[in-house]
Amino acid sequence: EVQLVESGGGLVKPGGSLRLSCAASGFTFSTYSMNWVRQAPGKGLEWVSSIGSSSNYIYYADSVRGRFTISRDNAKNSLFLQMNSLRAEDTAVYYCAREPTMSVWGQGTTVTVSS
Amino acid sequence: QSALTQPASVSGAPGQSITISCTGTSSDFIDYNYVSWYQQHPGKAPKLMLYEVSNRPSGVSNRFSGSKSGNTASLTISGLQAEDEADYYCSTYTSSPYVFGTGTRVTVL
Repeated sequence: EVQLVESGGGLVKPGGSLRLSCAASGFTFSTYSMNWVRQAPGKGLEWVSSIGSSSNYIYYADSVRGRFTISRDNAKNSLFLQMNSLRAEDTAVYYCAREPTMSVWGQGTTVTVSS
Repeated sequence: QSALTQPASVSGAPGQSITISCTGTSSDFIDYNYVSWYQQHPGKAPKLMLYEVSNRPSGVSNRFSGSKSGNTASLTISGLQAEDEADYYCSTYTSSPYVFGTGTRVTVL
């Protein structure tokens, strides 16, 4: 079964850091580009970042560029999102999603930024 | 990159057809084929319903169809069923690369 499982969310103070992980199974992870998408409480979907299958390209939304870093470890079938300098507006459920066309999604992990 | 514009809500009676629009600028739809639609039930992850304007992934009902004209893409749900009540988001792949729509709440009356 194709599956993505996010972890690493939690409560963090403004200015703090968190590292999200996304564990992939049921498919050849190393051949797929991946994405992070977030959804603030009661709001719509917001694309956050994308990474190519061999990390050959990386893109960020303007709202997170310079604070978030996407990476992957193909040997461990894992995708990561390092989030630094967190702000209240980063509070959201964070999903990882597989290409093409975000055809597979994880269940999400919740990040709350609050003092 | 601004979000694509969708109506906040659309409703219909069981068995009816509804259409959700998704409007952007010419730069949003720079690649004609890359329009996707996602369904999201409350508390659940989004699910891909259509890709490349009108293609359905395996397992998606043929009651869901898509089209595009100019800078507006559309999702039509035919034979509306109670299980179709959810939020729907369009998305395009541009140079950003991804942009989502503002989302539409579909209510089955």
